[in-house]
Amino acid sequence: AQKVTQAQTEISVVEKEDVTLDCVYETRDTTYYLFWYKQPPSGELVFLIRRNSFDEQNEISGRYSWNFQKSTSSFNFTITASQVVDSAVYFCALGPPYNTDKLIFGTGTRLQVFP
Amino acid sequence: DAGVIQSPRHEVTEMGQEVTLRCKPISGHNSLFWYRQTMMRGLELLIYFNNNVPIDDSGMPEDRFSAKMPNASFSTLKIQPSEPRDSAVYFCATASGVGKSYEQYFGPGTRLTVT
Repeated sequence: AQKVTQAQTEISVVEKEDVTLDCVYETRDTTYYLFWYKQPPSGELVFLIRRNSFDEQNEISGRYSWNFQKSTSSFNFTITASQVVDSAVYFCALGPPYNTDKLIFGTGTRLQVFP
Repeated sequence: DAGVIQSPRHEVTEMGQEVTLRCKPISGHNSLFWYRQTMMRGLELLIYFNNNVPIDDSGMPEDRFSAKMPNASFSTLKIQPSEPRDSAVYFCATASGVGKSYEQYFGPGTRLTVT
């Protein structure tokens, strides 16, 4: 069975703190994709990143970084020096190798960054 | 290029009425997904299409829900008759089936309230 678990329902931090959002997945596929989406208060889901299961290199984009560890089936997302604008719900998702198939979304983690 | 377009953005209707939600995908995207988001159930995939053909409608809650994609540039999700428990935000997302462009791009959503 395919499953994505985001155990942290809600996280609150103060601006400039670093925060890590956890994502654990289950799949029997040897090839798969992992995603993170951001849903700000405006409601629209915004694509952040996609990773291929064969590429375990960590990725950094500005204040955002992602740590993919196949050994622990985790794809964690870290925001460095958080800002109020980072307040949103963040979803992790798992995708099969065929791009015509559906993504499995986690339940999301609500991040609140206070000034 | 315009993103995914959904209409209406907000819909308030009375129980028993028919509701039609509309989606215009990003040009060239050949996969289209309808999602429903509620506080209780999170983000649920209702149905998805590939090349205008429904591939998986196992997420459609019941016969009151139906979706069509008559051509590559338009899809509808219809609820008839609507019930208060259908109140949710409905998202349309599309993806390109070409190359590595696999991530789904979401529309702004339609907030449906059934009274």
